[in-house]
Amino acid sequence: KQEVTQIPAALSVPEGENLVLNCSFTDSAIYNLQWFRQDPGKGLTSLLLIQSSQREQTSGRLNASLDKSSGRSTLYIAASQPGDSATYLCAPRAGGATNKLIFGTGTLLAVQP
Amino acid sequence: EAGVAQSPRYKIIEKRQSVAFWCNPISGHATLYWYQQILGQGPKLLIQFQNNGVVDDSQLPKDRFSAERLKGVDSTLKIQPAKLEDSAVYLCASSLGWGNGELFFGEGSRLTVL
Repeated sequence: KQEVTQIPAALSVPEGENLVLNCSFTDSAIYNLQWFRQDPGKGLTSLLLIQSSQREQTSGRLNASLDKSSGRSTLYIAASQPGDSATYLCAPRAGGATNKLIFGTGTLLAVQP
Repeated sequence: EAGVAQSPRYKIIEKRQSVAFWCNPISGHATLYWYQQILGQGPKLLIQFQNNGVVDDSQLPKDRFSAERLKGVDSTLKIQPAKLEDSAVYLCASSLGWGNGELFFGEGSRLTVL
């Protein structure tokens, strides 16, 4: 059974700082891994999707890496802004017949102006 | 391009009452998902449809929850009778295909059971 852990659970940084969010998962047999952002009271917004054959994906100030064999992914946010404040969730997609996304509990990020 | 549409956004009911949530996925998306997100937790998959067929409903409490996706487009999730522990946000998502496609979520329907 896939278990997803995100560390830290909460993070507060001053504006402009570079930061790394960590995600680990127990079953490395995944198709891909998706990072999401969730603002309070809102749905999930897809940030990056990394296929199992890829090592990293970049979108603007965001860079996500994937080390499937060790069951780890990181989300790097460069030059953080107050607008980046949100909960960040990672979700590996299981391989095989189940094929479902399993979510971690997320990292709550606060960027202080 | 229109996103995933959900309604209602908010619903408050008494325990043992029934409630229904509606979802319209992104046009052309064959796969539709219903997730339950309890406060402070990550979303949990309830049911997954591929067109109008069920792919996975292993975590759906079938004694009280039901879902359908007639004609392979929009979907309805029903809870009857509701319990206090059903208070959560119900999120609908869709993807272009089954397998490795990117998931897109709606804004969610927040249910409070009193």
